[in-house]
Amino acid sequence: DQQVKQNSPSLSVQEGRISILNCDYTNSMFDYFLWYKKYPAEGPTFLISISSIKDKNEDGRFTVFLNKSAKHLSLHIVPSQPGDSAVYFCAASSGNTGKLIFGQGTTLQVKP
Amino acid sequence: DTEVTQTPKHLVMGMTNKKSLKCEQHMGHRAMYWYKQKAKKPPELMFVYSYEKLSINESVPSRFSPECPNSSLLNLHLHALQPEDSALYLCASSQARTAGTEAFFGQGTRLTVV
Repeated sequence: DQQVKQNSPSLSVQEGRISILNCDYTNSMFDYFLWYKKYPAEGPTFLISISSIKDKNEDGRFTVFLNKSAKHLSLHIVPSQPGDSAVYFCAASSGNTGKLIFGQGTTLQVKP
Repeated sequence: DTEVTQTPKHLVMGMTNKKSLKCEQHMGHRAMYWYKQKAKKPPELMFVYSYEKLSINESVPSRFSPECPNSSLLNLHLHALQPEDSALYLCASSQARTAGTEAFFGQGTRLTVV
């Protein structure tokens, strides 16, 4: 049973436009959500996070939105750059376990 | 320094070998993790150490044996692995294991079992 889902395996966007990556979750106990970016043969790099008590968090070109009632979060990247091309993982955690549960990932390609 | 360092980067081992993966962080983090990632799959948690004590074992087979010698080091001892254990093994650390603390990952060790 997949508790964190990224239903779009891939996304292609033109440079300078907005990239929107989506993530859905089923476990209402999740209280912290994170986005990671991963290049091939490297470990995931932390991008941005959001607590369940907020609905938006912004850091430079990256903004994460959380809709708790819909159990949905999204990552907006604007403007998109070719260097943003990578696999993006959504992850969720709850309580004090430290355990991150990852979605399947979305491969973003930003075309020049 | 926001780095988690893993060695070796690549490892090929036979099914009868014993080897160890090493992980080091100097961020003062008190929680450390081992994740396993198969091709085109998300990382999956194996073990969590909190204050150098094992707090979570996700039903990992005993051929994988974690060890946390001190707050900066985390090892994963491997013995009698199977070819299906071939994967990218990721170490991570965070300030604490509570929600709200971001985990920082190392580059991973690409393990091939032959």
